[in-house]
Amino acid sequence: QVQLVESGGGVVQSGRSLRLSCVASGFTFSSYAMHWVRQAPGKGLEWVALIWYDGSKADYADSVKGRFTISRDNSKNTLDLQMNSVRGDDTAFYYCARGGSGGWYVDFWGQGTLVTVSS
Amino acid sequence: SSELTQPPSVSVSPGQTAWITCSGDGFTRKNAYWYQQKSGRVPVLVIYEDGKRPSGIPERFSGSRSGTMATLTISGAQAEDEADYFCYSTDSSGHYGAFGSGTKVTVL
Repeated sequence: QVQLVESGGGVVQSGRSLRLSCVASGFTFSSYAMHWVRQAPGKGLEWVALIWYDGSKADYADSVKGRFTISRDNSKNTLDLQMNSVRGDDTAFYYCARGGSGGWYVDFWGQGTLVTVSS
Repeated sequence: SSELTQPPSVSVSPGQTAWITCSGDGFTRKNAYWYQQKSGRVPVLVIYEDGKRPSGIPERFSGSRSGTMATLTISGAQAEDEADYFCYSTDSSGHYGAFGSGTKVTVL
């Protein structure tokens, strides 16, 4: 079955960097676009970034553009999110998610990893 | 703030119909998608491409889109449908993904 397992979350100081990873299994990873979506505790969902199946293109929410970088390694079935210059409003659960048909939306979510930015 | 607007809450009696709306310019460019998130759980896709149901989603869930509005309908709501529901499409530019603000559905 489809599995997405995130890691790398934790407490990070404001202005520092953190790298999240996601290992995918149960499907042909290289055929799917992948997303990162976040959710601040008790709040709504926020789309963060998308990378196409072959890594040729990536899109970012304005709130993270220039600070976060999404990447993938199709040989290892892994998806990463490099978070630089983090700030308080980056505190959230970060979900690795598979793109649905056409890649635009999410059809399956990982369990999430919590990132807490401290001052 | 979200560019897709949902009512904060909707209440429905068991067996009755609940309508959850989502409005935004993004719906003039892309389809609507709906996610259910129960307390402490990860979101689950319940409607894709405006009105299609993924495998395993009950028939009582349906969706539609017209102009700048999308609607999720729960026909014959059950206690297990209590959850937060989020719509998804694109922002007003059409370039980025965007979630709605979320609607808490209470079945009582």
